[in-house]
Amino acid sequence: GQNIDQPTEMTATEGAIVQINCTYQTSGFNGLFWYQQHAGEAPTFLSYNVLDGLEEKGRFSSFLSRSKGYSYLLLKELQMKDSASYLCAVRAAVYNFNKFYFGSGTKLNVKP
Amino acid sequence: DTGVSQDPRHKITKRGQNVTFRCDPISEHNRLYWYRQTLGQGPEFLTYFQNEAQLEKSRLLSDRFSAERPKGSFSTLEIQRTEQGDSAMYLCASSLRGYTRGGLDTQYFGPGTRLTVL
Repeated sequence: GQNIDQPTEMTATEGAIVQINCTYQTSGFNGLFWYQQHAGEAPTFLSYNVLDGLEEKGRFSSFLSRSKGYSYLLLKELQMKDSASYLCAVRAAVYNFNKFYFGSGTKLNVKP
Repeated sequence: DTGVSQDPRHKITKRGQNVTFRCDPISEHNRLYWYRQTLGQGPEFLTYFQNEAQLEKSRLLSDRFSAERPKGSFSTLEIQRTEQGDSAMYLCASSLRGYTRGGLDTQYFGPGTRLTVL
């Protein structure tokens, strides 16, 4: 089966740095994705990792350690608009397609 | 690239009624997925199409649920005899088999249809 864990909620201050962790147990691992979801809206793609290491995209970075089943999303220079839920998703190869398994999301509250 | 679109955005219905949702994927995407999301949870996989073929269905998809993608373009999800437990956000996503900006098979989501069953 698939098991994905991430903290339920975090609070950080505008301008600061926050790290959102995700641990997973999965078979057929084929990539780890991070999505941002504002309340009442669809998830939007942020980043992905297939190989170990850090991927940087502007204010957002994501890290993966496949041996540890661990990833994190790093948000720098936090802005109020970053208040949202952040979903960790594991992509697993299932038969002839890639299936996504989502965590429950981490609700990030950015305060002034 | 106009993105994934879904219609309607909101649906309120009475228990026992049938409802149908539509999803239009990104035009060149050949893979289409339906998910259900309830408050405080991540999306749960319901079903998957490659072109017009429905290749995978979750056990969550009871016999009251049916999905089609008749010409390999848009898709519909129908729920018959709705129950209050069906109240959720229904999300559609599409992907392209091959490498895109997000890598192989990155899924892009539509805005969702929020279903409320009274």
